[in-house]
Amino acid sequence: QKEVEQNSGPLSVPEGAIASLNCTYSDRGSQSFFWYRQYSGKSPELIMSIYSNGDKEDGRFTAQLNKASQYVSLLIRDSQPSDSATYLCAVNAGSQGNLIFGKGTKLSVKP
Amino acid sequence: SAVISQKPSRDICQRGTSLTIQCQVDSQVTMMFWYRQQPGQSLTLIATANQGSEATYESGFVIDKFPISRPNLTFSTLTVSNMSPEDSSIYLCSVAPAIGNTIYFGEGSWLTVV
Repeated sequence: QKEVEQNSGPLSVPEGAIASLNCTYSDRGSQSFFWYRQYSGKSPELIMSIYSNGDKEDGRFTAQLNKASQYVSLLIRDSQPSDSATYLCAVNAGSQGNLIFGKGTKLSVKP
Repeated sequence: SAVISQKPSRDICQRGTSLTIQCQVDSQVTMMFWYRQQPGQSLTLIATANQGSEATYESGFVIDKFPISRPNLTFSTLTVSNMSPEDSSIYLCSVAPAIGNTIYFGEGSWLTVV
């Protein structure tokens, strides 16, 4: 059974701080990793994808992947109240191309 | 990214009835998937919609309960049959241009069964 684990939170950070979201996965053969943001009452929205070890930066967001440790993280710099949402980690599941999702981490950024 | 339209966006359904959700994509895509998100839960894959053939269902989901059609590379439907309150969920159509590519989601269909 392939699994993706995340701390459910809530994770609370003050405005302007760095929010760090973590995710581990069980399938060592996974090749594609994604972070989605989901606001309450909305569908998931892709933030970042990462495919190789190391860091990938996009604006205030940095995704980090360590395949040896089966660990992927998302850093949000200069956190804003508008970043308050649930962040879903997803990992490719196999030959069909579908994704397995973690349960999500709820982030709250306090003004 | 693809533009994905789902209908209906929201509905309240009577127990025992069936509802068909439509998913239209603005471009041809290889992969189409249907996910379910129950209240307070993460996303669970129901099935992969295969163009021109029967859908591939995940463990715990069966064709009689969730029949799926995919007549072409831009359109798919999911029917939720003989609904019960446990079927109250968000149903999400998602697409990927190719295997291993990013998956994008439609706006979702929010179903409440009473």
